[in-house]
Amino acid sequence: QKEVEQDPGPLSVPEGAIVSLNCTYSNSAFQYFMWYRQYSRKGPELLMYTYSSGNKEDGRFTAQVDKSSKYISLFIRDSQPSDSATYLCAMGAGGTSYGKLTFGQGTILTVHP
Amino acid sequence: DGGITQSPKYLFRKEGQNVTLSCEQNLNHDAMYWYRQDPGQGLRLIYYSQIVNDFQKGDIAEGYSVSREKKESFPLTVTSAQKNPTAFYLCASRRTGAQPQHFGDGTRLSIL
Repeated sequence: QKEVEQDPGPLSVPEGAIVSLNCTYSNSAFQYFMWYRQYSRKGPELLMYTYSSGNKEDGRFTAQVDKSSKYISLFIRDSQPSDSATYLCAMGAGGTSYGKLTFGQGTILTVHP
Repeated sequence: DGGITQSPKYLFRKEGQNVTLSCEQNLNHDAMYWYRQDPGQGLRLIYYSQIVNDFQKGDIAEGYSVSREKKESFPLTVTSAQKNPTAFYLCASRRTGAQPQHFGDGTRLSIL
């Protein structure tokens, strides 16, 4: 079993829809969590970064972390065609492993006009 | 303009050849990382370095080598021992403390 599981999709939604992207994990040592957006032939771009359970909002994006269930989500409100990309969840542990990330395999999202 | 620069954007390797991928950052970040990305597999860690003149193997270091002689630079050599080198290679860096990693725009390596 992989440490981080992410539904690869692909996910196709109409413009304006609310998108929900999810990751589950098995390693209880993970303390901090990130979502990256990656356009084709580009490097991942950091969208959200959090290290506590609960919600964190930034514009149209909301990151949700539930450490008790080992589950994280990214919600995109009022989705736009420019949101079409691959979304990667990533997480890391503390201590001597600090700075090393484990990534999900990415979810491919298409928002059509 | 601060950032992480990877070069070249595309690289081709012949059989038995070693090739070196460049990664330079002007963000004054202490830690640097190399990942390999294959379709449908997410990112896998090859090597990482927390400080100059020190680096550690990641999950898939076999067939790769690195050096960290300067804070700004972390080149990756793909050796002839790496039998399946075709992939998208990503370099990342971050400040010390509870800071996330930031990525360059990658180098796509293919076999000739």
